[in-house]
Amino acid sequence: NAGVTQTPKFQVLKTGQSMTLQCAQDMNHEYMSWYRQDPGMGLRLIHYSVGAGITDQGEVPNGYNVSRSTTEDFPLRLLSAAPSQTSVYFCASSYSTTGSMNTEAFFGQGTRLTVV
Amino acid sequence: DAKTTQPTSMDCAEGRAANLPCNHSTISGNEYVYWYRQIHSQGPQYIIHGLKNNETNEMASLIITEDRKSSTLILPHATLRDTAVYYCIVRAPRGGSSYKLIFGSGTRLLVRP
Repeated sequence: NAGVTQTPKFQVLKTGQSMTLQCAQDMNHEYMSWYRQDPGMGLRLIHYSVGAGITDQGEVPNGYNVSRSTTEDFPLRLLSAAPSQTSVYFCASSYSTTGSMNTEAFFGQGTRLTVV
Repeated sequence: DAKTTQPTSMDCAEGRAANLPCNHSTISGNEYVYWYRQIHSQGPQYIIHGLKNNETNEMASLIITEDRKSSTLILPHATLRDTAVYYCIVRAPRGGSSYKLIFGSGTRLLVRP
């Protein structure tokens, strides 16, 4: 089991460039989400998905798009990178079925993004 | 989701117990208390969760007050590797938006040699 895998680990972008952060999990989890963490702060939810084909916005969705075509993958797209998007990005997954108890979330190791 | 309040930072000596408090005075009857930690900018790691009874696992113990308005995470024998930011989160067990984790600022625990 690899758990939650994020790629790349580091990335430098120029303002205005676009890119996709990849997230994959091999635990057959229904729920996946993206967080960003700015220096000295807690994690903030960007987008989340409750299953393939279903996504929704979190606390700070502006400037980001997501899609969930498979259970395993949940990519995060930066449409036009801005310096304010310099942050560490974490992907997480967890499993829950209707009526069942939520399980703990598993996090990837993060993608450190710098926009210059 | 109920808000939580934690001290900004704490320290303890290696080998001693670390007791991390969390206030969640607006917690709802069906909401659980979860604890995660983040070691040096790695991805957060689940520690433990509970509803109203005290809980213990291989990592820690969780003590929840009878009125459920506060809790304490206990690391019984802290090691240098326990230096991390600890997050206390409350969430419902199922349904709605319960799968979303809302992180606060957490407590930065420093374990001293």
